[in-house]
Amino acid sequence: GENVEQHPSTLSVQEGDSAVIKCTYSDSASNYFPWYKQELGKRPQLIIDIRSNVGEKKDQRIAVTLNKTAKHFSLHITETQPEDSAVYFCAAIAAGGTSYGKLTFGQGTILTVHP
Amino acid sequence: GAGVSQSPSNKVTEKGKDVELRCDPISGHTALYWYRQRLGQGLEFLIYFQGNSAPDKSGLPSDRFSAERTGESVSTLTIQRTQQEDSAVYLCASSFGQLDTQYFGPGTRLTVL
Repeated sequence: GENVEQHPSTLSVQEGDSAVIKCTYSDSASNYFPWYKQELGKRPQLIIDIRSNVGEKKDQRIAVTLNKTAKHFSLHITETQPEDSAVYFCAAIAAGGTSYGKLTFGQGTILTVHP
Repeated sequence: GAGVSQSPSNKVTEKGKDVELRCDPISGHTALYWYRQRLGQGLEFLIYFQGNSAPDKSGLPSDRFSAERTGESVSTLTIQRTQQEDSAVYLCASSFGQLDTQYFGPGTRLTVL
């Protein structure tokens, strides 16, 4: 089945700096890669996603890049703000086999933005 | 429209008791997923439904766990003879189709004493 590895597990930055979180996946058939933000005690919220037919997607201060050949994708947050502090999860969805439609999550990154 | 809802929001039970957790997906969403999240951990896949069928039950931790979905809407996750290691937040998500964005409910926090 799919395996998603996420790094780093913790990330501390100063307000205004950029933050980058990286994930790798194992199943070459995976074709949808969402990123979720989870604040303490809250549900995961989708912040951006990318499908395998594009290499990059941007939404204001957030961008995601995908390298299908290398099977890795990254989240980039620019001009970080204290409210960006949360746990971020990457995920990959299986597009074939018995696990079709199953979303596998990375282990999460605790991002702390210091004012 | 309304998002995914779950009930109860909190459940405290004694070891050995059975519990039922409920999930109401977004209307029109055919796929429904259950995840478990232990304190400070990531999301652990349990089971998903496409319509009323469950193609992948591989994530259920033991035969004490079961889930059903009727009428392509509400789903219940049942944990029999609860153990302390079952304590976690149980999250439900739904999506329009199996390869579409999943939207999460607020979760049920289960505490087994």
